[in-house]
Amino acid sequence: DTAVSQTPKYLVTQMGNDKSIKCEQNLGHDTMYWYKQDSKKFLKIMFSYNNKELIINETVPNRFSPKSPDKAHLNLHINSLELGDSAVYFCASSQVSAPGTFGSGTRLTVV
Amino acid sequence: GENVEQHPSTLSVQEGDSAVIKCTYSDSASNYFPWYKQELGKGPQLIIDIRSNVGEKKDQRIAVTLNKTAKHFSLHITETQPEDSAVYFCAASGAQTSGSRLTFGEGTQLTVNP
Repeated sequence: DTAVSQTPKYLVTQMGNDKSIKCEQNLGHDTMYWYKQDSKKFLKIMFSYNNKELIINETVPNRFSPKSPDKAHLNLHINSLELGDSAVYFCASSQVSAPGTFGSGTRLTVV
Repeated sequence: GENVEQHPSTLSVQEGDSAVIKCTYSDSASNYFPWYKQELGKGPQLIIDIRSNVGEKKDQRIAVTLNKTAKHFSLHITETQPEDSAVYFCAASGAQTSGSRLTFGEGTQLTVNP
């Protein structure tokens, strides 16, 4: 009965590969987010969707493409992975703009 | 855009003591200030929040204060316990509508020594 679940938990891949991270929430929230947490623990928003509509798109490389098939899912696809993409990626959801519930994170390591 | 500064970056206290973490923000339009606790290997968890029409809010051992004039807000944890050890983040955002975003502080690593 996990509220916000994201898979995989760990992802190790080579430079240049394409990978996806999936996220699902069962809280009935209208808004979902992707955050990136770097090695210094700094949290920065990447994207926000409200009812499948993109509402926040921070300055991230266009190699990152979010996709929301329905309001309970927000997946993150990353093309041509680079070393600097290594981080922990968090999915979150809320009923209003500030995320109340985070997933447990996906640790991406690009080698 | 909004800029949130958080201090200290690390804080070590003895069990039973109080811990205080302070944040300042730059955008006077910000009106929502949540605090998150992140334990090792887990996602941030919302522990308390405050809106700009309130000066103080308390929930058991945790309290948050807000000074809108000075643009700073603080987290107070009393009677600390070892399980309070974690990274704490403050954040600020504008009106609670679609399109506003949270800006996080850089985090405080709190260690409670038994």
